[in-house]
Amino acid sequence: KAGVTQTPRYLIKTRGQQVTLSCSPISGHRSVSWYQQTPGQGLQFLFEYFSETQRNKGNFPGRFSGRQFSNSRSEMNVSTLELGDSALYLCASSLYHAGNSGANVLTFGAGSRLTVL
Amino acid sequence: EDKVVQSPLSLVVHEGDTVTLNCSYEVTNFRSLLWYKQEKKAPTFLFMLTSSGIEKKSGRLSSILDKKELFSILNITATQTGDSAVYLCAANFGNEKLTFGTGTRLTIIP
Repeated sequence: KAGVTQTPRYLIKTRGQQVTLSCSPISGHRSVSWYQQTPGQGLQFLFEYFSETQRNKGNFPGRFSGRQFSNSRSEMNVSTLELGDSALYLCASSLYHAGNSGANVLTFGAGSRLTVL
Repeated sequence: EDKVVQSPLSLVVHEGDTVTLNCSYEVTNFRSLLWYKQEKKAPTFLFMLTSSGIEKKSGRLSSILDKKELFSILNITATQTGDSAVYLCAANFGNEKLTFGTGTRLTIIP
């Protein structure tokens, strides 16, 4: 069974540019979450999607956005990049259903390492 | 604000030692606590705990949750160099969002 796949694995951008990251969840998983990991702040929640709807959003500026497609694949976009956006962006999927709300195991992808110069 | 605190921040031990990693949480509407191991990139799942006092075990690793005192521990016995990693604790408070601690960096010296 394939795991969570994230592309690209590494990318370098300059300030002011925008970036789009992609995530393909485990087959059958309909919940997809995004996290930002930095040495100073650790793992911080960005947003979570289920059935193409954003259900939760973390405390990030509006420059961070995302979406989910009908096949559960997800993308996140960061516009007007800043130096502080340099981070590892992790996507996770889970087999969420109403009966296991709050007790889901998230399976993470290997991440996309973004460097902003 | 929901908060997860891990201790110690880092730990260096010799191969064969036993270690205990700590995780305390302050979350309203707590639903579950999860432990992950992160070596290079993707955090890999270790345990999910929802009930107090029930130990989860996998080989040399075990974990337990105390919902009254709001903490969990992760034990690793007979440590090996392959156990060197960052161990992450996270709490779920019911909306499919995990709040992570900053992690404990464990280094095993051969």
